[in-house]
Amino acid sequence: SQQGEEDPQALSIQEGENATMNCSYKTSINNLQWYRQNSGRGLVHLILIRSNEREKHSGRLRVTLDTSKKSSSLLITASRAADTASYFCATAAGSGAGSYQLTFGKGTKLSVIP
Amino acid sequence: NAGVTQTPKFRVLKTGQSMTLLCAQDMNHEYMYWYRQDPGMGLRLIHYSVGEGTTAKGEVPDGYNVSRLKKQNFLLGLESAAPSQTSVYFCASSYSGLAGVLPDEQYFGPGTRLTVT
Repeated sequence: SQQGEEDPQALSIQEGENATMNCSYKTSINNLQWYRQNSGRGLVHLILIRSNEREKHSGRLRVTLDTSKKSSSLLITASRAADTASYFCATAAGSGAGSYQLTFGKGTKLSVIP
Repeated sequence: NAGVTQTPKFRVLKTGQSMTLLCAQDMNHEYMYWYRQDPGMGLRLIHYSVGEGTTAKGEVPDGYNVSRLKKQNFLLGLESAAPSQTSVYFCASSYSGLAGVLPDEQYFGPGTRLTVT
């Protein structure tokens, strides 16, 4: 079953604007990760935030995590046409190597219009 | 470094046929995974492996078998393909990290687009 659910399903913005995507999940996690997928390609890891962290930055990306609300958000600032892609959140849970699994949401499709 | 590679890139099968998808990684990662991606469903884990000679079931393992005879390779087999297995298949790998610490990011291959008619 899907653990993470992204919102919105699709987002269209003008180049230079900020894009915000949200992810909600259901059970306790060890970490939450965001991935990007360009059309017809594999997924690329963007950023990871651990359950004891609240905010993390990487270049134009800012991720927040609220474990009390079981939610995360990904902010892309000053968007570019090259940011057009699908973005997935993935939650990691498990008590050890044998039970480790990464569960993906259905994704947010971002379109950045030049 | 080639990273994670998948063979083949595309394949069309008839119902009942069998095939093997090959995944190879050159990053010396202990963990490897097979996912399927269907429209509107995101990625779902089929099987995974935490080391050479070991495999485990994921969320949707039925109809698939896997083997990890060499650390760098992870094979996904379909013994009798069904139209419901039409999908894009992704392989991924990750470093196991320090003892007691869960793996971090996963590295994905480019995918195999499989159609079963």
